Amino acid sequence: GIQVEQSPPDLILQEGANSTLRCNFSDSVNNLQWFHQNPWGQLINLFYIPSGTKQNGRLSATTVATERYSLLYISSSQTTDSGVYFCAVDPGNTGNQFYFGTGTSLTVIP
Amino acid sequence: DTEVTQTPKHLVMGMTNKKSLKCEQHMGHRAMYWYKQKAKKPPELMFVYSYEKLSINESVPSRFSPECPNSSLLNLHLHALQPEDSALYLCASSHLGPTHGYTFGSGTRLTVV
Repeated sequence: GIQVEQSPPDLILQEGANSTLRCNFSDSVNNLQWFHQNPWGQLINLFYIPSGTKQNGRLSATTVATERYSLLYISSSQTTDSGVYFCAVDPGNTGNQFYFGTGTSLTVIP
Repeated sequence: DTEVTQTPKHLVMGMTNKKSLKCEQHMGHRAMYWYKQKAKKPPELMFVYSYEKLSINESVPSRFSPECPNSSLLNLHLHALQPEDSALYLCASSHLGPTHGYTFGSGTRLTVV
């Protein structure tokens, strides 16, 4: 099956710093999502981004499907950004079969 | 209503028990999903329902039995579980088609003793 690797696995930031999280996938995909999982386990959809660039406040994401990677940018990080960030990919064309990457655990310290 | 509601939030069950997890959404989504997440691991896809029919079963053991009685409700029936089945069970829903993302519930933390 498709392999989805995220880097770095762990990241510690000072509040206010910027960061870039990376998601590499081993095969072509038609769909990709980024999620934030808070310390209580809730998964929040950040972006649905099969290709191109999107921005939402301090967060933005870019997917280059032809090169099999996606990036999540976090600017001016806040302590509430702490948690685990996952990318999830759908190797088919249904939008109904997402497989999660290995995750990046982010800790933002004041 | 933009939520997926899962109940119960926590469940402790013995290996001989039968229990059920419930997931409900009222967003008109016609695809619903069960994922299993072990501690410090990514969620793993278990089942996918499309139009109330099981479309994907990721080789899940038969002690997990999904059911979709209507377009708003998804159940996961549990029977004869093992301690290694202890995990966070997450439900999600979405519109069908390749242009829609998921909405997740807050999960059920299951402990098998």
